[in-house]
Amino acid sequence: GNSVTQMEGPVTLSEEAFLTINCTYTATGYPSLFWYVQYPGEGLQLLLKATKADDKGSNKGFEATYRKETTSFHLEKGSVQVSDSAVYFCALSLRGSRLTFGEGTQLTVNP
Amino acid sequence: KAGVTQTPRYLIKTRGQQVTLSCSPISGHRSVSWYQQTPGQGLQFLFEYFSETQRNKGNFPGRFSGRQFSNSRSEMNVSTLELGDSALYLCASRPADRGRDDEQYFGPGTRLTVT
Repeated sequence: GNSVTQMEGPVTLSEEAFLTINCTYTATGYPSLFWYVQYPGEGLQLLLKATKADDKGSNKGFEATYRKETTSFHLEKGSVQVSDSAVYFCALSLRGSRLTFGEGTQLTVNP
Repeated sequence: KAGVTQTPRYLIKTRGQQVTLSCSPISGHRSVSWYQQTPGQGLQFLFEYFSETQRNKGNFPGRFSGRQFSNSRSEMNVSTLELGDSALYLCASRPADRGRDDEQYFGPGTRLTVT
């Protein structure tokens, strides 16, 4: 079946540090890959996506590249801010169907 | 455009009762999906509706059901509530536009507590 594995959290960084959150996936077929972010007390917001191999999704300084050879979609940001503190979810879908999520990674950024 | 709205935002129910949650998708979106979020199981897919038809269903017992109306609004119902049903229930809608039809937009969720 389809599955997504994220690096274990929580992750604590100082402001302006470099962020990487690892995500690997298993899927039959060619999935679309997503990163969603959840702020406290809110639903999920789509952060970025990539739909085919070597595509790079980017938004608000965050980037992730669809790596088919390593079945990975790692999230990166060059300089995090306190306002980036949230839970980040990696997810996949096949042909626009249901999302399969990873476990989520709690990120805390300290000033 | 207004985002996905869910009502109520919070609910407290007793074991054995039933509950109905409501979701209004983004205007123009015809697909609505429901997810359950718990600390132990994470985010799990419940079902998806499109044009009033259930297109996909997750691995949940029959106590969980849903429907969609002609205006794309959706409801989900949980009967005979159990303590383990306590969760955040999230609704998501997605557009039909080619190239964006795999993007799901989530509402704020309904926090259900079963006592």
